[in-house]
Amino acid sequence: DADVTQTPRNRITKTGKRIMLECSQTKGHDRMYWYRQDPGLGLRLIYYSFDVKDINKGEISDGYSVSRQAQAKFSLSLESAIPNQTALYFCATSDSGDSGRTDTQYFGPGTRLTVL
Amino acid sequence: RKEVEQDPGPFNVPEGATVAFNCTYSNSASQSFFWYRQDCRKEPKLLMSVYSSGNEDGRFTAQLNRASQYISLLIRDSKLSDSATYLCVLTGGGADGLTFGKGTHLIIQP
Repeated sequence: DADVTQTPRNRITKTGKRIMLECSQTKGHDRMYWYRQDPGLGLRLIYYSFDVKDINKGEISDGYSVSRQAQAKFSLSLESAIPNQTALYFCATSDSGDSGRTDTQYFGPGTRLTVL
Repeated sequence: RKEVEQDPGPFNVPEGATVAFNCTYSNSASQSFFWYRQDCRKEPKLLMSVYSSGNEDGRFTAQLNRASQYISLLIRDSKLSDSATYLCVLTGGGADGLTFGKGTHLIIQP
């Protein structure tokens, strides 16, 4: 079984709809992240969480919200989807380790979202 | 200057050749450096970490030059399976997520 899973894997929705993307991990990591990837722009950080009570905005958080329901679960919501949120969304996890610094990240398989 | 810059390519290289990529970064406080590999429509996966002393993993060699603020990746005896996008990745001075370059697309030709 995959260590980091994302659901759904593909989603097509309409402008204005509320969408939730879910991420679960069995790696026991404390840190979780949401990124989006667009052609020519690379991966950009949306939100990240270092533990259940910790939520931080990333580079491009506008239009998104997150919830860390448990150490193993981190969901991303689009309250009112718009076409420029069409992208490939990745969840990732990492272990803070002794240094407390972000180290290797492990990515889920991605969710391809299309907003019409 | 952009945070992380990579030549997007594509680099078209014959099988068996040696190929090298560079990546420059602007944040001198960056602490950790990595090369990730991403296949088309797949998730990024860690290829190797990059250390100041340089490190080698089989056919792959990574180097970090802090003075000039760049990292490099060398692939020897390239295989068809090396075809992918290679992402230069680093951590900032704080304890947040990783900063990704846009990637260099490598195509190994038979």
